[in-house]
Amino acid sequence: DQQVKQNSPSLSVQEGRISILNCDYTNSMFDYFLWYKKYPAEGPTFLISISSIKDKNEDGRFTVFLNKSAKHLSLHIVPSQPGDSAVYFCAASLGGTYKYIFGTGTRLKVLA
Amino acid sequence: DAGVIQSPRHEVTEMGQEVTLRCKPISGHNSLFWYRQTMMRGLELLIYFNNNVPIDDSGMPEDRFSAKMPNASFSTLKIQPSEPRDSAVYFCASSPDRYTDTQYFGPGTRLTVL
Repeated sequence: DQQVKQNSPSLSVQEGRISILNCDYTNSMFDYFLWYKKYPAEGPTFLISISSIKDKNEDGRFTVFLNKSAKHLSLHIVPSQPGDSAVYFCAASLGGTYKYIFGTGTRLKVLA
Repeated sequence: DAGVIQSPRHEVTEMGQEVTLRCKPISGHNSLFWYRQTMMRGLELLIYFNNNVPIDDSGMPEDRFSAKMPNASFSTLKIQPSEPRDSAVYFCASSPDRYTDTQYFGPGTRLTVL
């Protein structure tokens, strides 16, 4: 059973608009969350993370929001650029350890 | 920095054959991970090494899968015998230590078992 779920397999957004990627998790013990970005024929690359003691973390155009009561996190990209077109994976871990549980990914397409 | 290196990038084999995937982690990194990516299950951790020692192999699907890390700069993932359901993309990742929040992934090996 998937403990980390990305229910939208794909998303299309116009350049300059906001992209919102969603992720739900089932284990309330998860305390560290990450987003990775993956381009075709490349490995995933780390994008941004958030600890469960926070509800928001921002890095440039990327912001991750965490709603612990809803067991939900989201990644906002503002403004979206064509170079952001990629597959985005969310991941969760217990105690900030190495053992990441990944979702199945959401393919973002930013239209020029 | 060359990053994590994996070989081969693509492997096509027939059911029952032995498959060996190779990984060279980033120099100086103490932790190494093997993942498998499928459409249905996303990225799954297969095995984790720390300082060349297997720490957690709970994700290895069955005895047909084995992994070794004979030294700090090389690791292999072997499937023997291979089956069509093993078809997936296999990633190797490394990190400076087990507590860092960043794992650096290689480009992956796309395995197809006919």
